[in-house]
Amino acid sequence: KAGVTQTPRYLIKTRGQQVTLSCSPISGHRSVSWYQQTPGQGLQFLFEYFSETQRNKGNFPGRFSGRQFSNSRSEMNVSTLELGDSALYLCASSLQGLANSPLHFGNGTRLTVT
Amino acid sequence: GDSVTQMEGPVTLSEEAFLTINCTYTATGYPSLFWYVQYPGEGLQLLLKATKADDKGSNKGFEATYRKETTSFHLEKGSVQVSDSAVYFCASSSGGSQGNLIFGKGTKLSVKP
Repeated sequence: KAGVTQTPRYLIKTRGQQVTLSCSPISGHRSVSWYQQTPGQGLQFLFEYFSETQRNKGNFPGRFSGRQFSNSRSEMNVSTLELGDSALYLCASSLQGLANSPLHFGNGTRLTVT
Repeated sequence: GDSVTQMEGPVTLSEEAFLTINCTYTATGYPSLFWYVQYPGEGLQLLLKATKADDKGSNKGFEATYRKETTSFHLEKGSVQVSDSAVYFCASSSGGSQGNLIFGKGTKLSVKP
């Protein structure tokens, strides 16, 4: 089985721009969740989508949004980028959701905001 | 709110030493608990999990027991190897419609031959 694929691997953006990250889950997995990883804050949960519906949401501003398509692929969008948004963004897929089944992580997208 | 606290690293051990990485959680309900591991150059992967009190998760020689009375889920291994060098994350999930997955800050383990 192919693993979780995130694209692109690296991104450099300027403050004020917006960015869209993509995540393709393992085939058959209906849950996709997103995380921000920084040296200072560690790993923080952004949100989870299950069958195209946002099921859970972490404590991030509305500039961070996402969606999930009928094939379970998910995108995350960050608008009006700030320097503090520079981070490694990870997505993970699972069969039944983040509380009920193991997460399988992608290798992440490293976003640098200048 | 819910939180996970794990011991600060880095932790440096010699091969065959005993490992303990402490993890405690706060939660309003009874979360599922996990240990994830990130080997150098690789993505995060699940190491073990426990879903209810007194459950013991185990994998690759690592063990952790869900202790409700002490709200802890400490990771242990009797004899570490160089290949265990990685960053270890404790995590708690409360699930449900208001669910969340909360990670500890991570503990970097280096095992020397």
